[in-house]
Amino acid sequence: GAVVSQHPSWVICKSGTSVKIECRSLDFQATTMFWYRQFPKQSLMLMATSNEGSKATYEQGVEKDKFLINHASLTLSTLTVTSAHPEDSSFYICSAKSGLDTGELFFGEGSRLTVL
Amino acid sequence: AQSVTQLDSQVPVFEEAPVELRCNYSSSVSVYLFWYVQYPNQGLQLLLKYLSGSTLVKGINGFEAEFNKSQTSFHLRKPSVHISDTAEYFCAVSLTGTASKLTFGTGTRLQVTL
Repeated sequence: GAVVSQHPSWVICKSGTSVKIECRSLDFQATTMFWYRQFPKQSLMLMATSNEGSKATYEQGVEKDKFLINHASLTLSTLTVTSAHPEDSSFYICSAKSGLDTGELFFGEGSRLTVL
Repeated sequence: AQSVTQLDSQVPVFEEAPVELRCNYSSSVSVYLFWYVQYPNQGLQLLLKYLSGSTLVKGINGFEAEFNKSQTSFHLRKPSVHISDTAEYFCAVSLTGTASKLTFGTGTRLQVTL
């Protein structure tokens, strides 16, 4: 099946710094990628939809200036958490849509962000 | 808008026993249905999906699910579980003909013990 890879898997940063998380589709082109946030023992909450070559579409309540999304190529989307604070600590997961509109998504391994 | 309800937050079960994880959805239009599994500190892996056709869907690791339109349900079943099935299971729905925007249920923790 299609493979989606996220990097880094774990990141610890100081409060006030910015962190970039990469999401790559390794063996297919993804015109659309999705970014989710997952709090401990909770479900995935969609943050934004990332479309190659255009601005991301953010879900209600998600700060677009804090969570910068860039989808510069058909195989790479990045999420930058700007001026991170401890409340931004979370598990961030990306997914990518492949091929036909089957609704099927392929998920990355997730990135755990801890802000000290 | 569509929604997904997973009625059980935790399901404890003994190894080799059968299990059913419940999922109900709400939508005014046709949907695609999915079950994903998540192991600790990992992303989601697709177990199975219903797009159309036969209402009984077989997936990986011996899991199966049945789409019941009248009851708006998509319960996940396995006749005999293993310790390795211990994980979080998420039911999800997306609208057909859309860009695959998934709505997830709150998840069910399957805990398999000896």
